[in-house]
Amino acid sequence: GAVVSQHPSWVICKSGTSVKIECRSLDFQATTMFWYRQFPKQSLMLMATSNEGSKATYEQGVEKDKFLINHASLTLSTLTVTSAHPEDSSFYICSARVGRGFSYEQYFGPGTRLTVT
Amino acid sequence: DAKTTQPPSMDCAEGRAANLPCNHSTISGNEYVYWYRQIHSQGPQYIIHGLKNNETNEMASLIITEDRKSSTLILPHATLRDTAVYYCIVRLPNAGGTSYGKLTFGQGTILTVHP
Repeated sequence: GAVVSQHPSWVICKSGTSVKIECRSLDFQATTMFWYRQFPKQSLMLMATSNEGSKATYEQGVEKDKFLINHASLTLSTLTVTSAHPEDSSFYICSARVGRGFSYEQYFGPGTRLTVT
Repeated sequence: DAKTTQPPSMDCAEGRAANLPCNHSTISGNEYVYWYRQIHSQGPQYIIHGLKNNETNEMASLIITEDRKSSTLILPHATLRDTAVYYCIVRLPNAGGTSYGKLTFGQGTILTVHP
């Protein structure tokens, strides 16, 4: 159980275009999802926290107008990279929180590799 | 959330136990210790978590010292497929507001399992 999927697994786009990445919880409902970004040979960096039915909370330094997050249902969150540039090329990973209260786990999707040319 | 310190890399022979240490000397009383691993080009995989008691599941064991300032993840019989970056993370259960105890990843330990 607790499977998180992402689509697409990889995408190549031209500079200036927008790209949408989907994150789905397949066998559970997730009120909270998280979006991370990982550059080569670096650790994961949290971009934003997405709560169903409300606006996402962005980490400091992450442009909310560039990285649009929508969490319209309990099983789907989307990240749209608007007007992508080569420096946005990265590995984008979502995760979903399972459980409540003081003990819960986060399960991660397989990631989406974005290459902007 | 408390900061963690892990060795940058470790080696282990296949079939032997892999013991991965983590220091979290500033951990507070209600912070949990979580372990994740990331195999190359994949999303992180949850391994185990605990508060103060030792924990065991089908993947690993987690040993937390009595003062909770350090912990050890044990993979009892390492295989080549256990080669990955292992992350030790300490976090509050609920940070409140919209943060909901977010995970902050450090650099982790690169575990290489040799034949």
